[in-house]
Amino acid sequence: GAVVSQHPSWVICKSGTSVKIECRSLDFQATTMFWYRQFPKQSLMLMATSNEGSKATYEQGVEKDKFLINHASLTLSTLTVTSAHPEDSSFYICSAKKTRSTDTQYFGPGTRLTVL
Amino acid sequence: GDSVTQMEGPVTLSEEAFLTINCTYTATGYPSLFWYVQYPGEGLQLLLKATKADDKGSNKGFEATYRKETTSFHLEKGSVQVSDSAVYFCALSHNQAGTALIFGKGTTLSVSS
Repeated sequence: GAVVSQHPSWVICKSGTSVKIECRSLDFQATTMFWYRQFPKQSLMLMATSNEGSKATYEQGVEKDKFLINHASLTLSTLTVTSAHPEDSSFYICSAKKTRSTDTQYFGPGTRLTVL
Repeated sequence: GDSVTQMEGPVTLSEEAFLTINCTYTATGYPSLFWYVQYPGEGLQLLLKATKADDKGSNKGFEATYRKETTSFHLEKGSVQVSDSAVYFCALSHNQAGTALIFGKGTTLSVSS
């Protein structure tokens, strides 16, 4: 199998606080993980590409200082939303590619973030 | 840049009806093409894929053929079931390590009994 988990599945926080979301590949190693954001009834928008042991590559328009990504091991990447505001409320989804694989991505179940 | 265009939904069908969800793409080179499905309350799951022209991906009764001449990857199923109700995303990716998926906007399918 190829299972990707995310934690937490949903989180509510106050404006100005920081929230960390974890993405884990449970039964495979993932050199590359991706973070997407999905707005209601819209498609997934790539935020950043996370490579183990190196800095993440952010898409244009995504603030790297606001969305901190750490990929410390071959099975874990974290996304920290710093100083969250209501406009950051969204569904955040991670995906992972198996090491040495070039196409198929395996998706986590997503994390619903609500900022009050 | 690369992009994926899907037919807009929602698509509402009766059980056992024929399904087509259109998908066209714009890309340089020869990308891989995918259909992902998102069931209510769940994450995205790979439904099928095709990696080169004229390949047909198939799974769970769904099929899609990679048509380079029309830059299309339409999803079809001969007889839908209520359990097929979900959001379907067409996507492409270039065959390089570290390359992300580019998604279409998604098409919501609702099947009634």
